[in-house]
Amino acid sequence: DQQVKQNSPSLSVQEGRISILNCDYTNSMFDYFLWYKKYPAEGPTFLISISSIKDKNEDGRFTVFLNKSAKHLSLHIVPSQPGDSAVYFCAARINNNDMRFGAGTRLTVKP
Amino acid sequence: NAGVTQTPKFRILKIGQSMTLQCTQDMNHNYMYWYRQDPGMGLKLIYYSVGAGITDKGEVPNGYNVSRSTTEDFPLRLELAAPSQTSVYFCASSYSTGANTEAFFGQGTRLTVV
Repeated sequence: DQQVKQNSPSLSVQEGRISILNCDYTNSMFDYFLWYKKYPAEGPTFLISISSIKDKNEDGRFTVFLNKSAKHLSLHIVPSQPGDSAVYFCAARINNNDMRFGAGTRLTVKP
Repeated sequence: NAGVTQTPKFRILKIGQSMTLQCTQDMNHNYMYWYRQDPGMGLKLIYYSVGAGITDKGEVPNGYNVSRSTTEDFPLRLELAAPSQTSVYFCASSYSTGANTEAFFGQGTRLTVV
């Protein structure tokens, strides 16, 4: 069962515009949500996170929004830069040791 | 600072062979994890460890074994390799699993079983 879903396998945006990556989840017991970024031939690197008790967390160009009633979160990147081109994974933590990942969205930012 | 180091980066195994994927971290992290990533899928947790001498199963442990004799090392053992174990394997570590503590990942090991 896939408890964390990223329904868009890819997204292409123009440099300087906003990138919006979406993630849906099914388990209401998730207490923490994270976004990881992955370049080819590298491991995922942590980007930003949000607690389930909050609805927004911002870090520079990156903002994560959480809508608990819809079981939906999104990552906004403004402005998008070519260096942001990567695969982005949404992850949700159900307890201290169990993190479930989505399949990832490949973001391409065109110059 | 090396972070999390995995070896080898690539490996081809024949069905029925065994091998050990090595993982070491130099950040003095208590928690370590092994994930696998199949094409088009998210990462799935195979095994994790909360400290030296303590390991536990994750979501997909069948066909694998782990040990944690030191804080730094967390090897993953495949016995009797099967084509279903063809995947990219990632090792990760974190200081704790409290709120706001992210995991640091290694570069991955691409394993093909033929």
